[in-house]
Amino acid sequence: SQKIEQNSEALNIQEGKTATLTCNYTNYSPAYLQWYRQDPGRGPVFLLLIRENEKEKRKERLKVTFDTTLKQSLFHITASQPADSATYLCALRMDSSYKLIFGSGTRLLVRP
Amino acid sequence: EAGVAQSPRYKIIEKRQSVAFWCNPISGHATLYWYQQILGQGPKLLIQFQNNGVVDDSQLPKDRFSAERLKGVDSTLKIQPAKLEDSAVYLCASSLAAGGPHEQYFGPGTRLTVT
Repeated sequence: SQKIEQNSEALNIQEGKTATLTCNYTNYSPAYLQWYRQDPGRGPVFLLLIRENEKEKRKERLKVTFDTTLKQSLFHITASQPADSATYLCALRMDSSYKLIFGSGTRLLVRP
Repeated sequence: EAGVAQSPRYKIIEKRQSVAFWCNPISGHATLYWYQQILGQGPKLLIQFQNNGVVDDSQLPKDRFSAERLKGVDSTLKIQPAKLEDSAVYLCASSLAAGGPHEQYFGPGTRLTVT
């Protein structure tokens, strides 16, 4: 069956450390993978997109990697801040379909 | 630039009642999406419009859910009759177009509670 898996347990880290979130998928062949941030009571906000032929993408303190062999994406936040505390969602987009398929998200807590 | 607008923000109804949600996408965005997000889960696509035509409604429970996008701008999502399991946040999103890696812009959502 097709699955997108993100850690269901919250990731709790100290301010200043690097947070690494994982997105694994099975039986999908995504053309793109996107990462979104969602705060309580709000809609998701787009952060980064990476294509299947890209290995890594960076934006300020954020870095995303995409390994189509392992079927995994890693999302890194360097020098994390309490303001980075939120739920982070990965989403797959297939070439054959226009829709985004979301994982269930991982909650990140950054302690001051 | 104004974001995606949704109303109402909260709605409480009894089962078997009907409810409607409204969405106004970002100006110029051709594609509009309705998602259902159950607590603890990621958003699940219910229906996708390209202008005022339906691109994908494969996961829309058509016996009780309906949606329309008149004139390719605003959209409404209706549930009739509601069931307890419809309790969720209903998110509207828009993007420039359906094709290509276009990011989606989400509204704040409508939290529906069915009692």
